[in-house]
This record gives sequence, structure tokens and C-alpha cells, in this order.
Amino acid sequence: QVQFVQSGAELKKPGDSVRLSCKASGYDFTSYPLHWMRQAPGQRPEWVGWITPDDDETNYSQRFRGRVTISKDRAATTAYLEVRGLTSEDTAVYYCVRWAGGADPWGPGTLVSVSS
Amino acid sequence: EIVLTQSPGTLSLSPGEGATLSCRASQTVFKNKLYWYQQKPGQPPRLLIYRASTRATGIPDRFSGTGSGTDFTLTITRLEPEDSAVYYCQQSGTAPLTFGGGTRLEI
Repeated sequence: QVQFVQSGAELKKPGDSVRLSCKASGYDFTSYPLHWMRQAPGQRPEWVGWITPDDDETNYSQRFRGRVTISKDRAATTAYLEVRGLTSEDTAVYYCVRWAGGADPWGPGTLVSVSS
Repeated sequence: EIVLTQSPGTLSLSPGEGATLSCRASQTVFKNKLYWYQQKPGQPPRLLIYRASTRATGIPDRFSGTGSGTDFTLTITRLEPEDSAVYYCQQSGTAPLTFGGGTRLEI
């Protein structure tokens, strides 16, 4: 079955950068777009951006443009999300999500905490 | 961006009853690309309905989605205790993808 293994929780200081990973298995990694979403405590999910399955084209939410980079390693079936210039407002659970006509499934998430 | 407004904010019902959850969009959702998710505490969201009315794999037929344009509804019949969760709608017809604020369903 489709599974994602996401990297472990991160504790960062304001201004730091973080790189999260998401290893996929159970499906053809090159056939589906891969999205990143995040969810701050008690808030609705928020779309961060996505990467196309084949040509690595990316598209980001305007809210994050210039501050995030999504990439992937096809051989390792792993996607990455880098977020730079972290602030306390970036404290959230970050999810990788396969887009299969809907966000399905979601990875287990990685908690990123930003605090001085 | 398209703003999705969900109502009610909280719904408290008893087992066996039915629930009607609403999602209203600030503008037409292109090609009815409207999705519903269920989220339980400590878990990621789970896709229930895609393209407004099609159940995702493995979702029981107690869950159904209707609507088009700007008004969408998730209906859950014969409520069970395990249906307690927050339900979100989401649209992908117009970038950026956006989510509603959620409806908390308490059984």
C-alpha cells in the first residue's frame, strides 16, 4: 500500500532553515504530483506547494514563494521541503501528500517547532 | 484566492442520526474540484470525497457529497461514535489550493 515515511521532529530558532524529507513507497513515484501541506496547532491545513511527477516543475503558494523549495530524488523515491527564514508562525506539522485526484494519502507529518 | 466557509462550526449529534455539513465558496469552484477530508486527533486528514461527489476508496456509503458551483454539502447518515472528527473541505480548481475552517462533529 502507499506509504510515506517522514523525517523526525525539528526544533529550530528564528531565522534558521529546515529541510524535511518524505520517502514514498507502494506506488510509482513518478506518476503522481507530490504536495506539501502544513497545519499549525488548532488550525486548518494550508497548502505550501507541489512538484510534478516527471519534469520536477514546482509551484508554490504565494505566501511562501521565495522562502521554500520543494525537490525530489526519483531514484530514492524521496521528496524534500526546505523552509528558510523560519519564524514562530512556521511552527506546524508538515505533511507530504500524494495528489491522486485528491490529497490521498497524507504522510504522518513532521512537527517543526520554532522558538527562541 | 477562493475562501471556503464551513458551517456549522460544531455539530453535536447522537449515534444513528444524520449530519449535514456545508461548505460555501467565495467564487465558483472550477470543475467542481471540491474535496472533503476527515481528521481525527493526532492523525493526518483522510480523503473522503473527491470532485464534490465521488467517494474515495474504502469510504463507506454512509458518506456522500453533493453540490456544485459555490455550494457543497457532505452528508453522513447513521452516525457512529468513530465519526467524531473535524471535517474539512478543500478546493483545487483555482490556485492556491485552499481549505475551509472545518466543522467539528461530536457524536
